[in-house]
Amino acid sequence: QKEVEQNSGPLSVPEGAIASLNCTYSDRGSQSFFWYRQYSGKSPELIMSIYSNGDKEDGRFTAQLNKASQYVSLLIRDSQPSDSATYLCAVNAGNQFYFGTGTSLTVIP
Amino acid sequence: SAVISQKPSRDICQRGTSLTIQCQVDSQVTMMFWYRQQPGQSLTLIATANQGSEATYESGFVIDKFPISRPNLTFSTLTVSNMSPEDSSIYLCSVEGGSLNTEAFFGQGTRLTVV
Repeated sequence: QKEVEQNSGPLSVPEGAIASLNCTYSDRGSQSFFWYRQYSGKSPELIMSIYSNGDKEDGRFTAQLNKASQYVSLLIRDSQPSDSATYLCAVNAGNQFYFGTGTSLTVIP
Repeated sequence: SAVISQKPSRDICQRGTSLTIQCQVDSQVTMMFWYRQQPGQSLTLIATANQGSEATYESGFVIDKFPISRPNLTFSTLTVSNMSPEDSSIYLCSVEGGSLNTEAFFGQGTRLTVV
């Protein structure tokens, strides 16, 4: 069973703060890691992909990967109310995607 | 990234009937994926559709209930057959893409309610 675990939240942060989202995965053979944002009633939208250990920054978003600990995180700096959504962690292992249950984030104005 | 058009976007159906969901991609892709997302839950893969061969179904999903067609490299359909209220869910079509062809992209989804 290839599992992806996330804290379901809800996570609430004030506007302008840093939101930290965490994810662990069980399959050590996983090679590709992703964060998706899903607004209520909408389909998931890819916001970050990361393939090697360390940090990857894209605008206000930073993804962090630690393969030894089987851990992926997403930091959102200067959080905005428009960032309020569910964030799904996903892992590509064996050419198949496995999704976490998502973390609900609310940014309070 | 690929542009994926999925329809219908939503439907309300009577139990016992069937609904066919269409997925059109703006580029040729080898594999197309169908997911289900039940309320408050994550995505569950139903099946993988390859052009020219039968779809590969995940555990818990069968062809009689979820027949899939893949007539060409840009189009696929998923039928939800003999529906019951438990089939109420969001159904999503997905393809791989990105620079390394390892990223998943999704259609707009079909919100199905069975009454």
